[in-house]
Amino acid sequence: AQTVTQSQPEMSVQEAETVTLSCTYDTSESDYYLFWYKQPPSRQMILVIRQEAYKQQNATENRFSVNFQKAAKSFSLKISDSQLGDAAMYFCAYGWNYGGATNKLIFGTGTLLAVQP
Amino acid sequence: DAGVTQSPTHLIKTRGQQVTLRCSPKSGHDTVSWYQQALGQGPQFIFQYYEEEERQRGNFPDRFSGHQFPNYSSELNVNALLLGDSALYLCASSLNRGLSPLHFGNGTRLTVT
Repeated sequence: AQTVTQSQPEMSVQEAETVTLSCTYDTSESDYYLFWYKQPPSRQMILVIRQEAYKQQNATENRFSVNFQKAAKSFSLKISDSQLGDAAMYFCAYGWNYGGATNKLIFGTGTLLAVQP
Repeated sequence: DAGVTQSPTHLIKTRGQQVTLRCSPKSGHDTVSWYQQALGQGPQFIFQYYEEEERQRGNFPDRFSGHQFPNYSSELNVNALLLGDSALYLCASSLNRGLSPLHFGNGTRLTVT
């Protein structure tokens, strides 16, 4: 069965500094996708970045980038130039097309990121 | 362009009662998924609807059921509520096309007393 593990329940970073959130996963599939979602107090899950497993190049979205290590089944998120608005719960998620269902996601338990001014 | 909307925002029910949660997908989306997020946990997949049919179900009992209407909106029904059903229920919509991004609503906070 697919699993997603986030070993850092909480992280803290100074404004303008860089922070890396860790995620590992387990799967026997070869074709899958990985995501980082942000959940602020408003509760809405917001997609931060996605990575297709077949792509070797790491995804980047402005200040957000990932370090995707397929063999190690590791998928970390780096936030550069951290801003106060980055404070939120961050979830790593694994997705694949299964049993006809598209976008069935397995989420980790989350990392609560605090940004200190 | 309205995103995913869910109603109600909050709900308090008594053990044994039944509840219905509603979701309107983002404009243009045809697939709706429901997730349960217990306090301090990540969301867990309940089921997905496409073309008014349940396409896949997660590890949830039959007390959890759903429906999708011709306009793609969806309902989640939970019967015989248990205290453990207290959670944030998230609806997500997407296109039935590969791994198109999920768009989430703000969720319904259900408290069972």
